[in-house]
Amino acid sequence: AQSVTQLGSHVSVSEGALVLLRCNYSSSVPPYLFWYVQYPNQGLQLLLKYTSAATLVKGINGFEAEFKKSETSFHLTKPSAHMSDAAEYFCAVIEGGTSYGKLTFGQGTILTVHP
Amino acid sequence: DAEITQSPRHKITETGRQVTLACHQTWNHNNMFWYRQDLGHGLRLIHYSYGVQDTNKGEVSDGYSVSRSNTEDLPLTLESAASSQTSVYFCASTDGNTGELFFGEGSRLTVL
Repeated sequence: AQSVTQLGSHVSVSEGALVLLRCNYSSSVPPYLFWYVQYPNQGLQLLLKYTSAATLVKGINGFEAEFKKSETSFHLTKPSAHMSDAAEYFCAVIEGGTSYGKLTFGQGTILTVHP
Repeated sequence: DAEITQSPRHKITETGRQVTLACHQTWNHNNMFWYRQDLGHGLRLIHYSYGVQDTNKGEVSDGYSVSRSNTEDLPLTLESAASSQTSVYFCASTDGNTGELFFGEGSRLTVL
């Protein structure tokens, strides 16, 4: 079975600082990987996804993630944090290929941005 | 615009009562999912469906059931609510092509 581990349940950064949210996956087959963001009292929305094309994936709101097979990682970064980035972020891996859509989620990382 | 809606958004019930959470999507997606979100656990899959009359158990299916009589709806039923089922429930759907899940805004359930 595939699994995802997010290192750090809480990350705090200053506005303008680098954002780095860590995600490691376990998969016996080439994975499809996703980052979702959840703002307070809302559902999850897709930030970006990796589906075996380019290893550096760019998403919305200036976020990007790099797939590193040798490290089984898919860390999320943003060069300069903004107050509006404060949210909870989830890394996820898909099982059974995209045609099934059954995602396994990590535990989530709450990002706090200080002025 | 196509969307996915959940109702009710908030519900308080008592232990032992039957509760049904509704999920309706207008994307005509075949694949629909129910997750629960709890602090420290992320989202855990309860049940899912790949089409009409198809239902499958997820990792935390005990005490829950679903039915799929049409493409648009996947109601989640708690047969006899327990305090351990206090949670936020999310419905999601996908067309199966991109892998992207589209989520509803969640239903917060409190079992007293």
